[in-house]
Amino acid sequence: EVQILESGGGLIEPGGSLRLSCEASGITFSNKAMSWVRQAPGKGPEWVSSISGGGGTTYYADSVKGRFTISRDNSRDTVYLQMNSLRVDDTAVYYCAKEENIRTAVIPHMDVWGEGTTVIVSS
Amino acid sequence: EVGVTQSPATLSLSPGERATLSCRTSQTVDNYLAWYQHKAGQAPRLLIYDASKRATGIPARFRGSGSGTDFTLTISSLDPEDFAVYYCQERSNWPRGTFGQGTKVDIK
Repeated sequence: EVQILESGGGLIEPGGSLRLSCEASGITFSNKAMSWVRQAPGKGPEWVSSISGGGGTTYYADSVKGRFTISRDNSRDTVYLQMNSLRVDDTAVYYCAKEENIRTAVIPHMDVWGEGTTVIVSS
Repeated sequence: EVGVTQSPATLSLSPGERATLSCRTSQTVDNYLAWYQHKAGQAPRLLIYDASKRATGIPARFRGSGSGTDFTLTISSLDPEDFAVYYCQERSNWPRGTFGQGTKVDIK
């Protein structure tokens, strides 16, 4: 069974930093792109960042570019989201998701998600 | 950036009834559209990808349709476990993708 577990959330003051972790099990991790998606209170989800299976290609939403860094350690089956210069509007539940190359699909899809970790940015 | 609009915001129905959820994009996304189910405190669940293909293990009562800019998720007969929030997401520029604001299906 594929499982994804996020950790590292918490309460942080504006301007601070946090590193989120996402550990996957039950998959050949290095073959899978991974993504982070967040959901602020009362809003729809927002795609944040993705990383290729090997880690060589990364993608960011404009809202976090230059402040957040995605990385992965395939020996630990873990992807990270380093969040710097945090702002109040970064407050959200952060979800990690596996991008699967579903057989009949043209592009990968986020087919397994974790339950999320909560980040609150407040003074 | 592609805009995504879901309607209605809330759908109040009884078990056994049919649910019809709409998702519209501001520009064509071909069929690069997915639907997710989300219950509070749980992991979101992929239901439909490529607009009309059911993900693994998804019951046949869930049907996705549409292409271009207009999409629909139909739940043919609501099961008590189907009451949740449903989001669509366009992924015409993978891995980027805009989500809609969601449709909450609650018990009437």
